[in-house]
Amino acid sequence: DAKTTQPNSMESNEEEPVHLPCNHSTISGTDYIHWYRQLPSQGPEYVIHGLTSNVNNRMASLAIAEDRKSSTLILHRATLRDAAVYYCIPEGGYQKVTFGTGTKLQVIP
Amino acid sequence: DGGITQSPKYLFRKEGQNVTLSCEQNLNHDAMYWYRQDPGQGLRLIYYSQIVNDFQKGDIAEGYSVSREKKESFPLTVTSAQKNPTAFYLCASRQPGYNQPQHFGDGTRLSIL
Repeated sequence: DAKTTQPNSMESNEEEPVHLPCNHSTISGTDYIHWYRQLPSQGPEYVIHGLTSNVNNRMASLAIAEDRKSSTLILHRATLRDAAVYYCIPEGGYQKVTFGTGTKLQVIP
Repeated sequence: DGGITQSPKYLFRKEGQNVTLSCEQNLNHDAMYWYRQDPGQGLRLIYYSQIVNDFQKGDIAEGYSVSREKKESFPLTVTSAQKNPTAFYLCASRQPGYNQPQHFGDGTRLSIL
């Protein structure tokens, strides 16, 4: 399994952009980088994923470094509903995946 | 709507008892997973199954057992051999393919009486 490193916690003001970093230096060539988020007492929710190119969807953007050893999840305007734990997960196919402790995002009104 | 259903939401167990947590999906996914989450911690993989009638141990399988007799169902039994079963249990499923994300249920919170 690829190992990941994320900050334990981050803060953002409401309606400001948030950049959540992740290092995954041991990622394999076929692993996609998935991001999930988890609200208290709920299961994780898929946010976005990518392989090499930057990706956008209605929830967020994903910026992937050219060497694929790191990525950044971008929330363009943080809202109170974005307060959650964010997990960065390199994964591919059926292989088992490892969820670390993620980054706890606090959004300040 | 398609999704994953975990039941019950809350479960209480007396010491020495086995309990079974239900996980059903109607997404037609081949692979299914069970995770355990302790307070303030990440998810740890208990068991996973890539296909019916086949499953593999994850990182913390001791004290747990599973079955995969149907594609839609992947029940987890917490046996009396699991000495510290109090935790939040999450079930997930996914389609094959490198770019497919996992879909999670809402979890079952197990407590010891």
